[in-house]
Amino acid sequence: QITLKESGPTLVRPTQTLTLTCTFSGFSLSTSGEGVGWIRQPPGKALDWLGLIYWDDDKRYSPSLKSRLTITKDTSKNQVVLSMTNMNPVDTATYYCAHRSSSSGALDYWGQGALVTVSS
Amino acid sequence: QSVLTQPPSVSGAPGQRVTISCTGSSSNIGARYDVHWYQQLPGTAPKLLIYGNSNRPSGVPDRFSGSKSGTSASLAISGLQAEDEADYYCQSYDNSLSSSVFGGGTKLTVL
Repeated sequence: QITLKESGPTLVRPTQTLTLTCTFSGFSLSTSGEGVGWIRQPPGKALDWLGLIYWDDDKRYSPSLKSRLTITKDTSKNQVVLSMTNMNPVDTATYYCAHRSSSSGALDYWGQGALVTVSS
Repeated sequence: QSVLTQPPSVSGAPGQRVTISCTGSSSNIGARYDVHWYQQLPGTAPKLLIYGNSNRPSGVPDRFSGSKSGTSASLAISGLQAEDEADYYCQSYDNSLSSSVFGGGTKLTVL
């Protein structure tokens, strides 16, 4: 059974860097085809795709946020880390990590989400 | 402004059938990239509803179906039930952005 859970700060000051950790179980990011994605959702708004990291360390980022995002993985700890620099109040959102199905490419398992508020 | 366009809201009475459209372009749905659909119940994380345009994961009722044609995709829900009231999102890949993209979401209200 695949599970994922996001962890990190609930409050971030403007201009600071956000670091969120996705801890997962039920699959290994060292297995060919596996991937973990990050998605965010501002309150009352739509889902916003942030990026993805694959088993081979290939990374894809949203073009609009690429300059601010870094996604890394620690295969031994079954963790994926999202870093977003220069946080702004408009970045206030629930941040989700999700498992990418190697067969369909869909996000078939999601974490519960972590609400991050950006405020001074 | 989402790359994939969905109606903001749809509604239907219990037992009825509703459809939710997801309109893209030649750089995403029209480029033959798969469309996936997610259901987000109030206060919860999204859940995969349809993958690969028309496939249901195990446990998803056959009242939910997906289709794709040209630059658009559709999610159909038949035999509407009160528990179907949720937000629905389509997702695909866009080769001009080199990125996955979501639709703006559709709120389904069961009257």
